[in-house]
Amino acid sequence: DQQVKQNSPSLSVQEGRISILNCDYTNSMFDYFLWYKKYPAEGPTFLISISSIKDKNEDGRFTVFLNKSAKHLSLHIVPSQPGDSAVYFCAASATVAGNTGKLIFGQGTTLQVKP
Amino acid sequence: EPEVTQTPSHQVTQMGQEVILRCVPISNHLYFYWYRQILGQKVEFLVSFYNNEISEKSEIFDDQFSVERPDGSNFTLKIRSTKLEDSAMYFCATNRFLGELFFGEGSRLTVL
Repeated sequence: DQQVKQNSPSLSVQEGRISILNCDYTNSMFDYFLWYKKYPAEGPTFLISISSIKDKNEDGRFTVFLNKSAKHLSLHIVPSQPGDSAVYFCAASATVAGNTGKLIFGQGTTLQVKP
Repeated sequence: EPEVTQTPSHQVTQMGQEVILRCVPISNHLYFYWYRQILGQKVEFLVSFYNNEISEKSEIFDDQFSVERPDGSNFTLKIRSTKLEDSAMYFCATNRFLGELFFGEGSRLTVL
């Protein structure tokens, strides 16, 4: 049951360039999407989110784009920094009545930013 | 900055033993969750807890698992009789309103 998919297990970019991480989902009930960053031996850390009423949300170097018709979202990091090297998880939630706040996570993409 | 605290950070146990993992949520948070991540796999939802009762649980959360908030502060996950396949990182997460979750550092469980 892969409702949220991150098809690229890894991505390598040069410092200063743009990192683009992609995520696809299948459940049309999802209306809230989040990106988390995770370092080894630590818990996931919230980065940025987007509601389905928007198609873009920006926070500093991080921008999330949502294409509802394609059921696709992406995270852009620009400029990329070596400290951004981590595993990035896409997550989705359905904020409908009876929602328990459960997030469904993708498999993660390991980003490596080379100096 | 407030954070979710989990103990122990690492527990090694024999198959069949009971394990209790503990979480101290961020104060004033109302929704509590347990997730787990088996090595190399995705973060999986186990259970959500609100108003002192389970609000949703996954297929993974079978009769071997239970959660409670016995003293109004700690939020615990108990595994009654551990199996080898229970070896994973267990993450507690909380939030005040539905939306972004705040995760703890995780408890690594190793079942031998």
